[in-house]
Amino acid sequence: DAGVTQSPTHLIKTRGQQVTLRCSPKSGHDTVSWYQQALGQGPQFIFQYYEEEERQRGNFPDRFSGHQFPNYSSELNVNALLLGDSALYLCASSLIGLNTEAFFGQGTRLTVV
Amino acid sequence: ELKVEQNPLFLSMQEGKNYTIYCNYSTTSDRLYWYRQDPGKSLESLFVLLSNGAVKQEGRLMASLDTKARLSTLHITAAVHDLSATYFCAPYAGNMLTFGGGTRLMVKP
Repeated sequence: DAGVTQSPTHLIKTRGQQVTLRCSPKSGHDTVSWYQQALGQGPQFIFQYYEEEERQRGNFPDRFSGHQFPNYSSELNVNALLLGDSALYLCASSLIGLNTEAFFGQGTRLTVV
Repeated sequence: ELKVEQNPLFLSMQEGKNYTIYCNYSTTSDRLYWYRQDPGKSLESLFVLLSNGAVKQEGRLMASLDTKARLSTLHITAAVHDLSATYFCAPYAGNMLTFGGGTRLMVKP
């Protein structure tokens, strides 16, 4: 049973560019959440997708957008990249409802130069 | 807005010693998670605490939850070098996990 998979694992982009990160949830999970983890800090919630809609959003600008597909996989898009967007981006999948555990993927390390 | 405070932020301890990491949070939460993170790696789930008074143990780690005090603890018993990592607590509320700043644990021989 594959767990949560993210691609790519590493990425280098230039300021002003756009990036797309991808996540496939654990088998049987229907909810995907994205987190940003800057170096030396705890992860911060970006948004959550369920039934192909954004269910909840954290305190991130509109440059951060996402999508969920019918097969529950998800994309995170970041436009007009800033140096401060350099971070580890983590995807977590879960099954909607109470008392379910969230499993994290291995993350995508984004470096903006 | 849910705020989470962990302490200590950094902990250096000798092998064989016991210690406790504290996690305080500011508002009601459905449940609380503890994660471990090794350098450059993702988050590994350690415990999910679902109710007041919940206690879970795995090996040398034991986690507890007091929802009235909005406090969770992660107790380390007879630490070994393999436990060196960063530990995060994360209450779940409003469809999101809110992470503390993490406790970086270093266990020395």
